[in-house]
Amino acid sequence: DAKTTQPPSMDCAEGRAANLPCNHSTISGNEYVYWYRQIHSQGPQYIIHGLKNNETNEMASLIITEDRKSSTLILPHATLRDTAVYYCIVRDTSGTYKYIFGTGTRLKVLA
Amino acid sequence: ETGVTQTPRHLVMGMTNKKSLKCEQHLGHNAMYWYKQSAKKPLELMFVYSLEERVENNSVPSRFSPECPNSSHLFLHLHTLQPEDSALYLCASSQEVDRPINYNEQFFGPGTRLTVL
Repeated sequence: DAKTTQPPSMDCAEGRAANLPCNHSTISGNEYVYWYRQIHSQGPQYIIHGLKNNETNEMASLIITEDRKSSTLILPHATLRDTAVYYCIVRDTSGTYKYIFGTGTRLKVLA
Repeated sequence: ETGVTQTPRHLVMGMTNKKSLKCEQHLGHNAMYWYKQSAKKPLELMFVYSLEERVENNSVPSRFSPECPNSSHLFLHLHTLQPEDSALYLCASSQEVDRPINYNEQFFGPGTRLTVL
C-alpha cells in the first residue's frame, strides 16, 4: 500500500498558487519525499524531491513540516498546462525500496 | 523527452496473439522497471531489473514475460492476454535500483496503450 495520502481532487484558478498537500506520517528518517505528475495518458514526470529542508526549483516548491509527517507542493503560478494528477511518493523501504504510487491528487486549473 | 522511449505507442491485440512491448533508455542507467496503469487505478509496479537481472516480480501472471538483454533495453512479451489486461504500460529507468538514503529519480517513458479484444 502507498505510504502517502492525498486529497483526490483540487481546483485552482489560473495564475494563482496551487498548494497540494500530502500526509506521510510513517515516513522513515532517511526517506525522501518525491513528487511526480502525470498529464493525461503520458508517463509520470518528476517535479521535485526533498528530505528535511524546503526545496525550490524551476517548476515548484516543496515545503516539508519539521516532523516530516506531511508536505505541500506549491505551484506558484498555475497554468492550464499544470492540469494533471500529482503524486506524492515515499518509497517502500523493504526489498528494492520501490515507489508505491497512490491515487494522487487530480488538479484542475481553471481559466 | 525523458530519454526513455517505448514502442509501439498503441497496440490492439486479440487474446490468442503474441506481441512484445519495447523500452529503450538513453541515459546510461542501470535499473529499469515495468508498470501497469489500469483505468482509474494507481500505477502498479510489475517488474524491476538491475543490471539485466530481475530483482523483483510483483506476482505478475505468467502471460507477461519480461526480458532485459542489456541495461539499455527492456521488453515485455505478451501472450494469451485477457481483456482486463488492457491498460497503459509504462517503462521507467533510474541510475540504480533504489537503495536507502539515496535520492534516485525515475524517468518514465510515454507508455504503450494496450487494448486486448
